[in-house]
Amino acid sequence: GEDVEQSLFLSVREGDSSVINCTYTDSSSTYLYWYKQEPGAGLQLLTYIFSNMDMKQDQRLTVLLNKKDKHLSLRIADTQTGDSAIYFCAESSDNYGLNFVFGPGTRLSVLP
Amino acid sequence: NAGVMQNPRHLVRRRGQEARLRCSPMKGHSHVYWYRQLPEEGLKFMVYLQKENIIDESGMPKERFSAEFPKEGPSILRIQQVVRGDSAAYFCASSPVQVQETQYFGPGTRLLVL
Repeated sequence: GEDVEQSLFLSVREGDSSVINCTYTDSSSTYLYWYKQEPGAGLQLLTYIFSNMDMKQDQRLTVLLNKKDKHLSLRIADTQTGDSAIYFCAESSDNYGLNFVFGPGTRLSVLP
Repeated sequence: NAGVMQNPRHLVRRRGQEARLRCSPMKGHSHVYWYRQLPEEGLKFMVYLQKENIIDESGMPKERFSAEFPKEGPSILRIQQVVRGDSAAYFCASSPVQVQETQYFGPGTRLLVL
């Protein structure tokens, strides 16, 4: 089946930029997403990108998509302690968000 | 406006017992989705329901698992005769319409099977 991979851990210092990477196998992916999960809370949709886009920027967040390499990244500028969480990459190949596939999540730790 | 509510937040069951997980969608949302997160894995889609209808259950195990979303009340994910491999976090999401970017997730129910 389709697969989404992420590194499991990332540590950065407060004020630095964080880059969380994701690779996927489904060449028919239409939508790619980044979710944030804080302890004890549900997933929060951070941002998403259509497969016909290369980049999307939203305040401190920048999403880059390399469709040829099936590589997605999330850059968080000026990382703060409140950004410490698990970040999930997900992909979907249909317009309705069914059967979409999540990665295992990257646990971001922000050091003071 | 309360978010998606799930209860219980933690559930412990012995092998062979039944587990019932409840999900109350956000007000005005008529679409409910259930996902399972196994340790060290990403979330896996299980089932998509609208009121009184199962729309897509392609991610549900064929046996022991069932889901419903009645006209009144919360959506229920039911696991009969639980086994240790059912231990996971079960997340519910709801949306007002059938599009991915409007899904809101609940805090999840952590099921532990002893």
